[in-house]
Amino acid sequence: EPEVTQTPSHQVTQMGQEVILRCVPISNHLYFYWYRQILGQKVEFLVSFYNNEISEKSEIFDDQFSVERPDGSNFTLKIRSTKLEDSAMYFCASSEVGFGRGHQPQHFGDGTRLSIL
Amino acid sequence: AQKVTQAQTEISVVEKEDVTLDCVYETRDTTYYLFWYKQPPSGELVFLIRRNSFDEQNEISGRYSWNFQKSTSSFNFTITASQVVDSAVYFCALSEASGLGGNTGKLIFGQGTTLQVKP
Repeated sequence: EPEVTQTPSHQVTQMGQEVILRCVPISNHLYFYWYRQILGQKVEFLVSFYNNEISEKSEIFDDQFSVERPDGSNFTLKIRSTKLEDSAMYFCASSEVGFGRGHQPQHFGDGTRLSIL
Repeated sequence: AQKVTQAQTEISVVEKEDVTLDCVYETRDTTYYLFWYKQPPSGELVFLIRRNSFDEQNEISGRYSWNFQKSTSSFNFTITASQVVDSAVYFCALSEASGLGGNTGKLIFGQGTTLQVKP
């Protein structure tokens, strides 16, 4: 069964450094998402991406964050200058169609655990 | 505003007991979807079920069943004859038409319920 893959599984970075989290969505999916989960807390929406542009972003997704689909397969989340509070599990998700067209469930990757020192 | 509340933070049961996980949601949209995801100790999020706002039929899948009641804005999840492998955090989530262009499909998660099934 096709799956969303995320790399790396664990990333340790010094505060202030840039970090790029990578995701390969399921190949025929068109909608892409990033979520984060601070340890022991709920999963929070960061950003949705469709047709090569951001379709919605949350308050968490400030100017330090950016997303990109550099080629036909990868979907990346960049944090420009990491802070301690960015430490969390980051999940990538994709879905075949969006809400208005028979909304399909989002398939999640296994996550990247980001630790900021 | 959209919101999902899972009032039960932790539930502990003994194997073979039935257990119900509660989920209450808030939305102003008339069209929305509700989901349950399972997060085992390994950390991944596993999709369990999706239900749209126009379909209030209860659903059963093996030992799992879901009770959707629009009148009380609830979407509860019952595990029958629980097993140790059911031990996980369970998240209820809501997706409604919102954001730019109206249809982003973002998920709003509840706080999660940690289920511990003891042998």
